[in-house]
Amino acid sequence: QVQLVESGGGVVQPGRSLRLSCAASGLTLTTYAMHWVRQAPGKGLEWVATVSYDESKKYYADSVKGRFTISRDNSKNTLYLQMNSLRADDTAVYYCARSVRGLIKDAFDIWGQGTMVTVSS
Amino acid sequence: EIVMTQSPATLSVSPGERATLSCRASQSISNNLAWYQQKPGQAPRLLIYGASTRATGIPARFSGSGSGTEFTLTISSLQSEDFAVYYCQQFKSWFPDSFGQGTKLEIK
Repeated sequence: QVQLVESGGGVVQPGRSLRLSCAASGLTLTTYAMHWVRQAPGKGLEWVATVSYDESKKYYADSVKGRFTISRDNSKNTLYLQMNSLRADDTAVYYCARSVRGLIKDAFDIWGQGTMVTVSS
Repeated sequence: EIVMTQSPATLSVSPGERATLSCRASQSISNNLAWYQQKPGQAPRLLIYGASTRATGIPARFSGSGSGTEFTLTISSLQSEDFAVYYCQQFKSWFPDSFGQGTKLEIK
């Protein structure tokens, strides 16, 4: 079955860190740019970060720049999001997604089911 | 900066009728546009990319058109499973954000 599976979400206090993972099964991520997108409760979609297939290029939304780091391990077919200095407004469902044509600037055709991150004291 | 604006915010349509959703970019994005469908509690689903190319497995009743700054998603004959929130996304630039605010398609 072709799927992306996120893990690592949970409840964390403001200022703390969390690392999300996105594992692929039934498909390869090796030649595809990958992305993180989040959705705050009751809100729309917000692009968070993008990484090229070889990690040579990384892009971040202004809201997370300097706090979040996107990375990947192609040998494990897995994408990561290291989130530091978490704030209440980072509370959201976090989705990983794959580029439909493998490009950095591309639509996202395969999405994970999402993992919830709640930042609260 | 490219800002995406979707209209209307909510669209009420009867099953079997046609639905037309709009998305406008604040500057030209050529055909670098995608449409997604999202149902409650589910991840978004890619419908259209490149403004008019249907994604794998998407029924033919979904069609996309437009180029430059004006784009349209048309659902030719609404089925019950089509009532959802629809987002457009530009992928010419990631900044400041690539998604529109969404259009909720509800049953009339």
